[in-house]
Amino acid sequence: AQSVAQPEDQVNVAEGNPLTVKCTYSVSGNPYLFWYVQYPNRGLQFLLKYITGDNLVKGSYGFEAEFNKSQTSFHLKKPSALVSDSALYFCAVRPYSSASKIIFGSGTRLSIRP
Amino acid sequence: DTAVSQTPKYLVTQMGNDKSIKCEQNLGHDTMYWYKQDSKKFLKIMFSYNNKELIINETVPNRFSPKSPDKAHLNLHINSLELGDSAVYFCASSPTDLYNEQFFGPGTRLTVL
Repeated sequence: AQSVAQPEDQVNVAEGNPLTVKCTYSVSGNPYLFWYVQYPNRGLQFLLKYITGDNLVKGSYGFEAEFNKSQTSFHLKKPSALVSDSALYFCAVRPYSSASKIIFGSGTRLSIRP
Repeated sequence: DTAVSQTPKYLVTQMGNDKSIKCEQNLGHDTMYWYKQDSKKFLKIMFSYNNKELIINETVPNRFSPKSPDKAHLNLHINSLELGDSAVYFCASSPTDLYNEQFFGPGTRLTVL
């Protein structure tokens, strides 16, 4: 079965420190990979995606993610966290073979303390 | 200039009632979706339409019926509401190609009493 795992329900980081939100996936073939962010009482907002090419992709608000094919991972990173980064983050995978079906992870709540 | 809009934002109703949620996108996208987010924030796709045609229909009770009058609108009608239907429902849209990101509406919080 195709799946996406976000192993941490919550990640706590001090402001100014680097942050990592983990994501691993299990799909057949090569997938398209996405990160979305959800602020309280809001819809999801797109952060970044991996389609092909350079394994390190850069996105909105200073976030980046690294695609690692051998480890089937797509971890979200930021060199220096801000309190305003506190939100719920979703990793998502769309297999090449699937007609428009995207699979979301369970979400990771990121909390940045001042 | 809202990209994906949903109405209503909040919906409180009694068990057994029938209700509808409307969604509109002004992005010119061909594909629209309905998602359900439960109390644990888990997000699950319910339906997907491409150019008014149903292309994804997950294991959703028959009480849920999407309707797409044109490619800019995807409405969700729910019959005989149950307590377990309480959730936040998100509409989203995207261009057809699989590598495109989705644009989400603000959500409709449905509470069934």
